[in-house]
Amino acid sequence: EAGVAQSPRYKIIEKRQSVAFWCNPISGHATLYWYQQILGQGPKLLIQFQNNGVVDDSQLPKDRFSAERLKGVDSTLKIQPAKLEDSAVYLCASRTGTVGDYGYTFGSGTRLTVV
Amino acid sequence: GQQVMQIPQYQHVQEGEDFTTYCNSSTTLSNIQWYKQRPGGHPVFLIQLVKSGEVKKQKRLTFQFGEAKKNSSLHITATQTTDVGTYFCAVPRGQLTFGSGTQLTVLP
Repeated sequence: EAGVAQSPRYKIIEKRQSVAFWCNPISGHATLYWYQQILGQGPKLLIQFQNNGVVDDSQLPKDRFSAERLKGVDSTLKIQPAKLEDSAVYLCASRTGTVGDYGYTFGSGTRLTVV
Repeated sequence: GQQVMQIPQYQHVQEGEDFTTYCNSSTTLSNIQWYKQRPGGHPVFLIQLVKSGEVKKQKRLTFQFGEAKKNSSLHITATQTTDVGTYFCAVPRGQLTFGSGTQLTVLP
C-alpha cells in the first residue's frame, strides 16, 4: 500500500510571501489531517477533513491559513502571508475513519523555513 | 481542555540499558496512542491502549495503561541504537492531541 504523499519536502520563503503544500492520502482513506510540528514539540492539529468536508478547523489561523480537499482525495494547505513563526514541519496524515482503524498514517512532511 | 504531560523531555541511555517514558493526564482517557518519530522523520503509529490496566508488548517494547486510565508508560528493554528517536503519546481531545514527546538518545 502506498503511503501518504506530500510535496514539496522542503520550502524556504521570505516572510509575507505565500506558500502551498500538497498531500495525497492513502487510497480509500476518508479522513485527512494537517498537523503543524514546530521543532522540539509534538504535532499540533490544524484541520481535519472527512471526505471533502471540514470536521475541525478550530486551531487553524484562518487569517492566513487555508486548506481545501475539493474532491475528497488530495488536499492543499496554503499560508498567505507567511510569518517567521510559521517555520515548522507540516505533516499530513490520513486514516480510513472506520471502527477499529486506530492509527494515523503520516506523510514525510514539508519542512517550511520562513526567513 | 484535556492536558497531557509527558516526561522526561530527554533521556540519554547507554546501549543495553532500559528506557521508560511516561504520559500523564489530569482527566480520564478513553484511549491512548503511542508514536515513534525518528530524527528527521515523521511520526509512526506504534499502538493504541483502551482498557484499564492494559499491558501490550511489541518485542522489547512494553506499553501500559493505568488502572485509572489517566496515565500510560512505554518501556524499552535493552535499548539498541535503532530505538533512537522521539516517542509521543497521543490522546483524543476532540481530535488526536500529542504530548510533547520524550527524545531518546542511545549511546553505543
